[in-house]
Amino acid sequence: NAGVTQTPKFQVLKTGQSMTLQCAQDMNHEYMSWYRQDPGMGLRLIHYSVGAGITDQGEVPNGYNVSRSTTEDFPLRLLSAAPSQTSVYFCASIEAITNEQFFGPGTRLTVL
Amino acid sequence: AQSVTQPDIHITVSEGASLELRCNYSYGATPYLFWYVQSPGQGLQLLLKYFSGDTLVQGIKGFEAEFKRSQSSFNLRKPSVHWSDAAEYFCAVAPNTGGFKTIFGAGTRLFVKA
Repeated sequence: NAGVTQTPKFQVLKTGQSMTLQCAQDMNHEYMSWYRQDPGMGLRLIHYSVGAGITDQGEVPNGYNVSRSTTEDFPLRLLSAAPSQTSVYFCASIEAITNEQFFGPGTRLTVL
Repeated sequence: AQSVTQPDIHITVSEGASLELRCNYSYGATPYLFWYVQSPGQGLQLLLKYFSGDTLVQGIKGFEAEFKRSQSSFNLRKPSVHWSDAAEYFCAVAPNTGGFKTIFGAGTRLFVKA
């Protein structure tokens, strides 16, 4: 039982490049979320999903896309990376009844 | 507007001393309340949670928190801090009426001095 896994752990991009951050969970949770963490700002919700095929925007969705083709996977795509997207990204899988969140180890992204 | 406030950006305590981290929230109804801990370079881990009932909840690693409805607060406490408690602590709220969007505070970084 791996919980929530994220890849890669670190990534450096140049402005304008695109990439996909991977997230997978093995807890059979319907709800999943992507957050970004910036100093002094806590975690901000980027996108979330309430089940396969259903996604919606969070607080800071601009510049990011998501899809949810299976219950297990919830990738986050950066379409054209910008320096403002330099951050640590966390994926979370959420237990529906209690709203307890299970976080992955994070991806540290630097955009030059 | 819904929000979570952690007034202290960072706190330094001596090992063995007691700890209290403050959390205040603004929410339409009594939400579910959480404290998470983040060790350096790690993801967040749940310390404890409050849903209903006894307003004093116990968590892992010897932490407890008290929900005070009249003050809209959910402060985290530990009687005796260990050096391994040095980390960042996040208070969070989530709806108790369906839906799951969680609002996080900005975090309080705890430093422990020997």
